[in-house]
Amino acid sequence: DAGVIQSPRHEVTEMGQEVTLRCKPISGHNSLFWYRQTMMRGLELLIYFNNNVPIDDSGMPEDRFSAKMPNASFSTLKIQPSEPRDSAVYFCASTLAVGTDTQYFGPGTRLTVL
Amino acid sequence: AQSVTQPDIHITVSEGASLELRCNYSYGATPYLFWYVQSPGQGLQLLLKYFSGDTLVQGIKGFEAEFKRSQSSFNLRKPSVHWSDAAEYFCAVDPGTYKYIFGTGTRLKVLA
Repeated sequence: DAGVIQSPRHEVTEMGQEVTLRCKPISGHNSLFWYRQTMMRGLELLIYFNNNVPIDDSGMPEDRFSAKMPNASFSTLKIQPSEPRDSAVYFCASTLAVGTDTQYFGPGTRLTVL
Repeated sequence: AQSVTQPDIHITVSEGASLELRCNYSYGATPYLFWYVQSPGQGLQLLLKYFSGDTLVQGIKGFEAEFKRSQSSFNLRKPSVHWSDAAEYFCAVDPGTYKYIFGTGTRLKVLA
């Protein structure tokens, strides 16, 4: 089992640019989560998908952030335009069944916005 | 409101010494409980979890945790710490929804 795969592992961009982060969940998992980790705020849930459908995006900071899950094996988190305060580590996690199973995390994408 | 408290931000122990990391939660019922470890530059790796049953849970890398309902605690222990255990440890609670509640983490430093 390859685990949750995220790309890129590191991203450095300039303010105003579009950034796309990618995630491949564990095969067979029905739920996918995007988290953001910062020193100030710790781990924050941004959005949660179940069976490819966004269920809760209340954690998405603002309209500059969007997420999609076009199929069961792929999700993207896009920031447009990016700002320096978006610099953080972004994690993707997946689980077989919400409420009864563990969330498994990917290695994260470290985003730096200059 | 539901919350998870890890009162120790930093802990330093000598290699070979025992370790206990504290975790307290605030929740009306018994939630699902987890400990994750994050090594520098890495994602979160599950150490162990408690869903029900035996309140002493064994995990990977020689870690264990004990659920104490009366104290709303789920402390992580290891009898003998190795230098490779230096990392940040997160306690998390799943109150039966998809929204894990994470503690702020405890950073462990191991002295040779």
